[in-house]
Amino acid sequence: DTEVTQTPKHLVMGMTNKKSLKCEQHMGHRAMYWYKQKAKKPPELMFVYSYEKLSINESVPSRFSPECPNSSLLNLHLHALQPEDSALYLCASSQHYRVDQPQHFGDGTRLSIL
Amino acid sequence: KQEVTQIPAALSVPEGENLVLNCSFTDSAIYNLQWFRQDPGKGLTSLLLIQSSQREQTSGRLNASLDKSSGRSTLYIAASQPGDSATYLCAVRDEAAGNKLTFGGGTRVLVKP
Repeated sequence: DTEVTQTPKHLVMGMTNKKSLKCEQHMGHRAMYWYKQKAKKPPELMFVYSYEKLSINESVPSRFSPECPNSSLLNLHLHALQPEDSALYLCASSQHYRVDQPQHFGDGTRLSIL
Repeated sequence: KQEVTQIPAALSVPEGENLVLNCSFTDSAIYNLQWFRQDPGKGLTSLLLIQSSQREQTSGRLNASLDKSSGRSTLYIAASQPGDSATYLCAVRDEAAGNKLTFGGGTRVLVKP
């Protein structure tokens, strides 16, 4: 079982909907990440939070809005998405935002935009 | 800009055979290399992390080697089992990109009973 929990597992939404993805970890990790993965492609980094502060935004469109309300929780708020945003969204965490530490991934949320 | 390549893209072996998975990278100024496994529709499971100062890491039937100067890493899985069927991804962190993981395209492995 993964120690990074993502909900929901699947989400179908229309282009005008607003929804949120949730990620939780209880390993005491202080760095958390959002990745997007299209079919048969490797994950692409979207955002990094370190100590609940946004450290990296990989030029992600504003229709994706991350939030880190506390050290265990990471949200991704979605609004006015496009069909090309359909993908597997993965959350990851590491003990600190340091190069020598492995990242641990959740099972992802499969997002489909109608 | 770092490029990470995994060849072949797909591999099929009979059960019991040893698996050899390759990963190559263009910029040898890496901090470390991490191997992941991904089952269909699932997240990534971290298998091994090799720091740039290390030559290899072992965990059970898995052994990963790193040759930084030639830009290569190899993941060996001994005595493969059908449960080893998955996509295996390697990813590097390098001095240019900092803590950002640069992934290879993955090798899809099928172990036939």
